[in-house]
Amino acid sequence: AQSVTQLGSHVSVSEGALVLLRCNYSSSVPPYLFWYVQYPNQGLQLLLKYTSAATLVKGINGFEAEFKKSETSFHLTKPSAHMSDAAEYFCAVSDGNDYNLSFGAGTTVTVRA
Amino acid sequence: DAGITQSPRHKVTETGTPVTLRCHQTENHRYMYWYRQDPGHGLRLIHYSYGVKDTDKGEVSDGYSVSRSKTEDFLLTLESATSSQTSVYFCAIRNRGNTEAFFGQGTRLTVV
Repeated sequence: AQSVTQLGSHVSVSEGALVLLRCNYSSSVPPYLFWYVQYPNQGLQLLLKYTSAATLVKGINGFEAEFKKSETSFHLTKPSAHMSDAAEYFCAVSDGNDYNLSFGAGTTVTVRA
Repeated sequence: DAGITQSPRHKVTETGTPVTLRCHQTENHRYMYWYRQDPGHGLRLIHYSYGVKDTDKGEVSDGYSVSRSKTEDFLLTLESATSSQTSVYFCAIRNRGNTEAFFGQGTRLTVV
């Protein structure tokens, strides 16, 4: 069984500032890890994924995440926030048994001008 | 965008009535999923399918049933809707050999 904890349900950043969203997971087997983004009234869009290749994963829109096994973490970062980054972000985990996704509760990002 | 269409996109129904939500895909993906999204809970898996007529329960399956008679369609049925089933429902698909899932636009269901 696997689970995900996202620290902080809301994050507010200034435009141009660093975006850091925290995700910790638990899994009994090597995990696959994902970040999805959801814009208002839309479905979820895959930002990036970790599938046991490189531990630093680059995704779309300038986002990246680092897998740290020792810390069971997969934090999402973007060096410089843009107004268009305002959305809800979900961390998710699956394993090689059934590939079913388990999601965190989500973090809403607001960007201040 | 992945070819996933959910219908209806919005529905208001009364307590105790049956409701069916439809997910249609044009990608010929093997796996299909139904999730519900609620504030503070993220997305939770209701049911999933790993092939025609092959389905299994997720973590919040009580009160829901599903059917998959064709590869492209996955139906979610609330036999007798309750207010606790007011939610946004998402369909997702995944192809065999891939790890990521692709999501539809969602159906907002309100049970009054």
